[in-house]
Amino acid sequence: QVQLVESGGGLVKPGGSLRLSCAASGFTFSDYYMSWIRQAPGKGLEWVSYISSSDSTVYYADSVKGRFAISRDNAKNSLYLQMNSLRAEDTAMYYCATWTTHLGYWGQGSLVTVSS
Amino acid sequence: QSALTQPASVSGSPGQSITISCTGTSSDVGGYNYVSWYQQPPGKAPKLMIYDVSDRPSGVSNRFSGSKSGNTASLTISGLQAEDEANYYCSSYTSTYTVVFGGGTKLTVL
Repeated sequence: QVQLVESGGGLVKPGGSLRLSCAASGFTFSDYYMSWIRQAPGKGLEWVSYISSSDSTVYYADSVKGRFAISRDNAKNSLYLQMNSLRAEDTAMYYCATWTTHLGYWGQGSLVTVSS
Repeated sequence: QSALTQPASVSGSPGQSITISCTGTSSDVGGYNYVSWYQQPPGKAPKLMIYDVSDRPSGVSNRFSGSKSGNTASLTISGLQAEDEANYYCSSYTSTYTVVFGGGTKLTVL
């Protein structure tokens, strides 16, 4: 069955960096666009970014543009999110998901806390 | 990238039907048939319930249905059950090639 497992979250100071990973299994990873979505504590869902199946097309939410970078390694069935210049408002649970016209399969999330 | 507008909360008794609205613009909901709905119980990851306005993924109960008129999409849950209590989010593809969510609706089963 489809499985998405996020890792790499943790506590980081404002201005710091963190790299999230998402390990995929149970489907042909290289056939799917992939996306990151986040959810601040007690708040709603916020789309962050998506990347095409071949890595050629990426889009970002305005709130993270220029600070975050999405990438993937189809040989390793893995999706990544490099987060730089982190701010307190980036504190959230970060989910990876498959993306077509919708977010079909979701992982369980990785918590990122930005605090001094 | 303004969020889609959803009611903060809705409620209903077991067996009843409820509808959650999701209002956007001609640049998102009104411009594409790429509206989807997600169910999120407290403390859990979201789950896809409806995609492409009205299609249901395999395994999702046919008590859940979706529709769209102009810039407003709707999710209807019929035969309400206690297990339906959760937060529900709508989402749409946009004209700037991004994705936007609604603010979420808390469904309470009385």
